[in-house]
Amino acid sequence: GAVVSQHPSWVICKSGTSVKIECRSLDFQATTMFWYRQFPKQSLMLMATSNEGSKATYEQGVEKDKFLINHASLTLSTLTVTSAHPEDSSFYICSASPSTDTQYFGPGTRLTVL
Amino acid sequence: EDKVVQSPLSLVVHEGDTVTLNCSYEVTNFRSLLWYKQEKKAPTFLFMLTSSGIEKKSGRLSSILDKKELFSILNITATQTGDSAVYLCAAPRGGFGNEKLTFGTGTRLTIIP
Repeated sequence: GAVVSQHPSWVICKSGTSVKIECRSLDFQATTMFWYRQFPKQSLMLMATSNEGSKATYEQGVEKDKFLINHASLTLSTLTVTSAHPEDSSFYICSASPSTDTQYFGPGTRLTVL
Repeated sequence: EDKVVQSPLSLVVHEGDTVTLNCSYEVTNFRSLLWYKQEKKAPTFLFMLTSSGIEKKSGRLSSILDKKELFSILNITATQTGDSAVYLCAAPRGGFGNEKLTFGTGTRLTIIP
């Protein structure tokens, strides 16, 4: 089946620093990847759609200058949380779609900002 | 605004019981409904439903869609402790080619040995 990986799986950083999270589709190409955020005991909320070769599209309320997305190739998208603050602590999950409607999720990255 | 609602929010049953999880939706240009299982990490794909009345089955899990009444159910028979998880349903928004998913809040299922 389709495999999506994320790196790192968890990260702890100091307030004010930037953190980069990578998302890779290992056995298929994905022109579109998605970034979600999940707070404890809540469902997944879509943050942005990452498009290969063009700018990401962000959901309402998500700051594009704070959450920088780069989709460098058909198998790699990165999310950089800039100037992270404790309220950015969350579980960040990416997904990619090898075909219409089916999405496969990465294992997630748990970010803790001290 | 597209909406996906799941019930119950949580469910605790004994091992061996059968459970039914519900998902109702209001989605513009509906084309499919997806079920996922989420344990401690990211969701894993269970089913994609596109047609009314056709049951999809995988082992002890099965799911069916009713496009007239706008809901889907996920059944788990002979539950085991390994079935304890949050079960999410989701639907793609908008028309064909729009892959953004709207998720329900999930049902937290706990199986007591």
